[in-house]
Amino acid sequence: SAVISQKPSRDICQRGTSLTIQCQVDSQVTMMFWYRQQPGQSLTLIATANQGSEATYESGFVIDKFPISRPNLTFSTLTVSNMSPEDSSIYLCSVEVGESLAQYFGPGTRLTVL
Amino acid sequence: GQNIDQPTEMTATEGAIVQINCTYQTSGFNGLFWYQQHAGEAPTFLSYNVLDGLEEKGRFSSFLSRSKGYSYLLLKELQMKDSASYLCAVREDSNYQLIWGAGTKLIIKP
Repeated sequence: SAVISQKPSRDICQRGTSLTIQCQVDSQVTMMFWYRQQPGQSLTLIATANQGSEATYESGFVIDKFPISRPNLTFSTLTVSNMSPEDSSIYLCSVEVGESLAQYFGPGTRLTVL
Repeated sequence: GQNIDQPTEMTATEGAIVQINCTYQTSGFNGLFWYQQHAGEAPTFLSYNVLDGLEEKGRFSSFLSRSKGYSYLLLKELQMKDSASYLCAVREDSNYQLIWGAGTKLIIKP
């Protein structure tokens, strides 16, 4: 498994502002994933971040709104830009570990936009 | 297209056994995963199946039939702490991303 931490754990933000979420892993990993989870819903993949290359975004998510950095093999950030109340959600990072490449998740960041 | 189906909600009694089913239709297959998610927490990895058959891990077992596009998670000797959502996810072999089911909310009653 892997130990994954996220900062902040929660935040309340004003619309129009931006928030950067950090994800730190205790071991080097190739791929890191960023998800969003609305209350009572399943996971929606925002993007996949590989070190040394641009992130790959899923349909409906764009780099201008969700810029991602991946400066090394243990760290990534996701920025939620120009926030609106619709961005209120839990944001999760995950990494693939082990032979099965199961994904292990950070504790999540609960974002509320007023 | 891609599709994963799970029941939305199930109820079971403490001490009993419950089976949560998952059916999938994907363009490829490279493994099926089960996760547990307690309210307000992140998903935690439970099991992985890539070959047909049953994988047992303590009170939890997971079964896979690739020909039927079907899996189930079996929970035995249910405890109150097993109340959670259970998510089924499939990895297609095309891009190694996971396709997630909507999750099954399991309610355990005393």
